Amino acid sequence: RKEVEQDPGPFNVPEGATVAFNCTYSNSASQSFFWYRQDCRKEPKLLMSVYSSGNEDGRFTAQLNRASQYISLLIRDSKLSDSATYLCVVNSASGNTGKLIFGQGTTLQVKP
Amino acid sequence: DAGITQSPRHKVTETGTPVTLRCHQTENHRYMYWYRQDPGHGLRLIHYSYGVKDTDKGEVSDGYSVSRSKTEDFLLTLESATSSQTSVYFCAISEPRQSTDTQYFGPGTRLTVL
Repeated sequence: RKEVEQDPGPFNVPEGATVAFNCTYSNSASQSFFWYRQDCRKEPKLLMSVYSSGNEDGRFTAQLNRASQYISLLIRDSKLSDSATYLCVVNSASGNTGKLIFGQGTTLQVKP
Repeated sequence: DAGITQSPRHKVTETGTPVTLRCHQTENHRYMYWYRQDPGHGLRLIHYSYGVKDTDKGEVSDGYSVSRSKTEDFLLTLESATSSQTSVYFCAISEPRQSTDTQYFGPGTRLTVL
C-alpha cells in the first residue's frame, strides 16, 4: 500500500464547476499536511497547508480528517488556470528531518 | 520565489558516463533534498542533507551519491548513468526548525540517458 494515495484522474470539468479531490495517508503519526500544485513541465509549488480545523484560501478549501486519515481539497468556481496536477503531501513523521511523502497527483483539466 | 537554481536544466548523456547535477540556494536553509519524478511514481526522495557534510539516503538512493561542502550547494552524482535514471530531477529546500515542513523546489533538471 502506498503511503499517500490519490486518484490520478484526470478530472475534466467545465469552467465554474466545483471539484473535490481526496487523498488518504497511511502513517497515523504524520503531523504536517499540504497540497502542492504542479503545472506541466514545472516544479511543484505549495498551494496550501492543511490544518486540523480546515482552512480556506479564496476558492480553495482544505480539510483534514485524522480519524479516517484523509485529506481533501475543494476548488469552487473552477478557472481555466486551475488546470494542473494537484499533489497531496504528508510529512514522514520520522524525526525532525523535514522529509515529505508525495502522492502521485490528481490531474485537473478545466474546459471552457 | 525561493532562491533555488539547478544546473544544468537539460542534459543528454550516454550510458556509463558520470553526471553531476547542481542545486544552489540563496536562502541559507539547512535542509536540502534531491527527488526524481517519473510517470506513475510521483516524486521520490533520492538523498537529503541536513547540514554541511551531513547527508542521508532516501527511498531510491541506489546508483546516486551526493555531496554538500557548503550550505548553498548540494550536488547529485550519477557515477555511471543508466537508462533507468532518465528522469526529471528536482532539488528542494526547507527549514524544519520553523513551524512548518514546507519544501520549496527548484525548476528541475531533465536528464536523458541514451
